[in-house]
Amino acid sequence: GENVEQHPSTLSVQEGDSAVIKCTYSDSASNYFPWYKQELGKRPQLIIDIRSNVGEKKDQRIAVTLNKTAKHFSLHITETQPEDSAVYFCAASIRIQGAQKLVFGQGTRLTINP
Amino acid sequence: NAGVTQTPKFQVLKTGQSMTLQCAQDMNHNSMYWYRQDPGMGLRLIYYSASEGTTDKGEVPNGYNVSRLNKREFSLRLESAAPSQTSVYFCASRRGQVNTEAFFGQGTRLTVV
Repeated sequence: GENVEQHPSTLSVQEGDSAVIKCTYSDSASNYFPWYKQELGKRPQLIIDIRSNVGEKKDQRIAVTLNKTAKHFSLHITETQPEDSAVYFCAASIRIQGAQKLVFGQGTRLTINP
Repeated sequence: NAGVTQTPKFQVLKTGQSMTLQCAQDMNHNSMYWYRQDPGMGLRLIYYSASEGTTDKGEVPNGYNVSRLNKREFSLRLESAAPSQTSVYFCASRRGQVNTEAFFGQGTRLTVV
């Protein structure tokens, strides 16, 4: 089955610096790769996603890159701010018998130090 | 629109007790999911449902059953709760036929003593 590995599990950066979180997936049939942000005590919410026919996508300070050959995708946050502190999850979606199965990585706790 | 609504928000069970977690969505989504969230382990898929009347096992289905009652509702049942099932449970839904955002409920914090 599909497996998603996420690294690092914790990340601490200075405010204004960049943060990078990396994920790998196992099933080459995966075709959709969302990233979710979860603040303390809240539900996960989508921040950016990328489909398998695209190599890179950017939305203001957030960007995602996808390398299908290596089965690897990454989240890049530039000019980090204190409100970026949260747990971030990557995920991969694979179509199995008509159903879109969504599998998540283990999460990265990002801390922005002022 | 309320989005995805889960009940209850908190629950304490004794070992061996049973309970059902309820989930409903008002976005006319086809696919619905149940996840559990444990520290350091991310969101693990318990069961999912591609459409009304269909359900499939995820990564960690043991000890759970589900029912897709209709298009709106997807319930998760613990027949005989165990301390290992202490976790935060999230329900989510997606349109299903195309790759789109999954929307999550607010979560249920379950403690089994």
